Amino acid sequence: QLQLQESGSGLVKPSQTLSLTCAVSGGSISSGGYSWSWIRQPPGKGLEWIGYIYHSGSTYYNPSLKSRVTISVDRSKNQFSLKLSSVTAADTAVYYCARGMTTVTTGAFDIWGQGTMVTVSS
Amino acid sequence: SSELTQDPAVSVALGQTVRITCQGDSLRSYYASWYQQKPGQAPVLVIYGKNNRPSGIPDRFSGSSSGNTASLTITGAQAEDEADYYCNSRDTFWVFGGGTKLTVL
Repeated sequence: QLQLQESGSGLVKPSQTLSLTCAVSGGSISSGGYSWSWIRQPPGKGLEWIGYIYHSGSTYYNPSLKSRVTISVDRSKNQFSLKLSSVTAADTAVYYCARGMTTVTTGAFDIWGQGTMVTVSS
Repeated sequence: SSELTQDPAVSVALGQTVRITCQGDSLRSYYASWYQQKPGQAPVLVIYGKNNRPSGIPDRFSGSSSGNTASLTITGAQAEDEADYYCNSRDTFWVFGGGTKLTVL
């Protein structure tokens, strides 16, 4: 059974870069037909999609974050990563990685990591 | 526009039926997916596509769609269904609704 596990720094200083990694186990990140996303949730608030990457390396980002986001994939390690630059307190959130599936008429995130809390503070 | 609107809170008596709705222009072209999130846990996919349930999701959960509105219906709500529910759709990019807090009375 495919599982996702986030890891990375839980505390980041303002103006610095947040870096997280999502390890994929129980399956290959290179399996066709899926995208690999980062999603975040500020404390007490709703979900916000950050961006996704395909195993081919093509990416798509939320326009509201696009200037600060980089998502990359390491097929040899079966993992993908998030970098968010110039962070502020507003970037404090639980960050999830998730597998996305899409068809012509729908899409969904069918597998999620447990999430990792990232706090932006000096 | 790529926005999805949900009612912030809904309540239902134990064993009764409740409908949670989600509105947005993207829903005219794409079916929504629905997620259940309990405190301190990651979201769980409960409905996707026209009305598909992932393995392990009880059949009291169902989905429907009409025009720009998608609905998640829980028929015979149980105490364990109390949670936040989020809709989600793909459009130019992915978007989530603001979430609905379901209280089971």
